[in-house]
Amino acid sequence: DAGVTQSPTHLIKTRGQQVTLRCSPKSGHDTVSWYQQALGQGPQFIFQYYEEEERQRGNFPDRFSGHQFPNYSSELNVNALLLGDSALYLCASRLWGGGGYTFGSGTRLTVV
Amino acid sequence: KQEVTQIPAALSVPEGENLVLNCSFTDSAIYNLQWFRQDPGKGLTSLLLIQSSQREQTSGRLNASLDKSSGRSTLYIAASQPGDSATYLCAVSLSSGSRLTFGEGTQLTVNP
Repeated sequence: DAGVTQSPTHLIKTRGQQVTLRCSPKSGHDTVSWYQQALGQGPQFIFQYYEEEERQRGNFPDRFSGHQFPNYSSELNVNALLLGDSALYLCASRLWGGGGYTFGSGTRLTVV
Repeated sequence: KQEVTQIPAALSVPEGENLVLNCSFTDSAIYNLQWFRQDPGKGLTSLLLIQSSQREQTSGRLNASLDKSSGRSTLYIAASQPGDSATYLCAVSLSSGSRLTFGEGTQLTVNP
């Protein structure tokens, strides 16, 4: 049973560029959330998608956007990258309405 | 605004020792609490999920307790092993569909 799959695993981008990260949820899960984790800190909630709609959003600027597809997979897009966007981006999935979260291995984004 | 605090920030113990990690949260009206393990540069592995109606959960050498009224949870690790070395994160959810709010973690080192 595949868990949460994220791609790519590592990415280096230049300041001002745009990036797209991808996530496939665990089989049977329909809700996807994205988190940003800076070095030495706990993950911070970016947003959550269910039924292809953004359901909740954390305190992140509009440069961060997302999408969920009919197969429940999701993308995180970040525009106009800043050095401060360098972090580990984690995708988590669950069943809407209950249960614990399953996390992927993350995408390490470095902005230079 | 829910805040989660984990104490201590770092802990170093000899192999075989029993240990306790602490997690406190400011809003006691939680839906559930989840403990995760994170190895350096990796994603999160779920260890235990405690629903708000439960007092504790056990998995192998791990036992997590929850005291909602006091806003506290503890993770007890019995007979620690070097392979337990990792960062341990607790996270709370306020409703069945809501985001996770994380603490900053406890970095555990178990010395052979």
